[in-house]
Amino acid sequence: DAKTTQPPSMDCAEGRAANLPCNHSTISGNEYVYWYRQIHSQGPQYIIHGLKNNETNEMASLIITEDRKSSTLILPHATLRDTAVYYCIVRGPGGSYIPTFGRGTSLIVHP
Amino acid sequence: DAGVIQSPRHEVTEMGQEVTLRCKPISGHNSLFWYRQTMMRGLELLIYFNNNVPIDDSGMPEDRFSAKMPNASFSTLKIQPSEPRDSAVYFCASSFGGAVQPQHFGDGTRLSIL
Repeated sequence: DAKTTQPPSMDCAEGRAANLPCNHSTISGNEYVYWYRQIHSQGPQYIIHGLKNNETNEMASLIITEDRKSSTLILPHATLRDTAVYYCIVRGPGGSYIPTFGRGTSLIVHP
Repeated sequence: DAGVIQSPRHEVTEMGQEVTLRCKPISGHNSLFWYRQTMMRGLELLIYFNNNVPIDDSGMPEDRFSAKMPNASFSTLKIQPSEPRDSAVYFCASSFGGAVQPQHFGDGTRLSIL
């Protein structure tokens, strides 16, 4: 599986958009980009995933660059409850079963 | 819908004791994962089952750890004998369709070995 690089921490004002970047320059053609988040004392929560096209669901939007070497998770209107660690993971059907969660980005949403 | 259910939520025991953690995956999911999370090492996959069969247990730290999945709705992770360095939060996750599908996590078991 391709490795990912994320900033260790970010902050965002409540009500503003939170844009979380992820670099995955060694991604293969059949590997998906997944985003999870972990709120303190809870298990990780799946957010969204995509292959090539941008994706949107009720939680967030995922923007993948045309060369697929990086992506951005967008929380359009961040709330205090979005404070969490966000993990970007790249996985493909031919890769190892062991996902690399890494250290993620600690997002703090402040009033 | 019920999510992944883990029990107990908290476990405190003395070193040398046997510890059994339990997991009930989401109904209909055919893949199950056990993870361990510590401050030092982050979130690590211990073992992955598909259709009740262990597929990859290379993350299991040593022979003191064992995991079983006797049926599609139940799995256990056992540590015997337990050691203080096993203290961590243990998560169970399930998915439908294999390791590359989105995983749904339980709330974890916080284990403290004294």
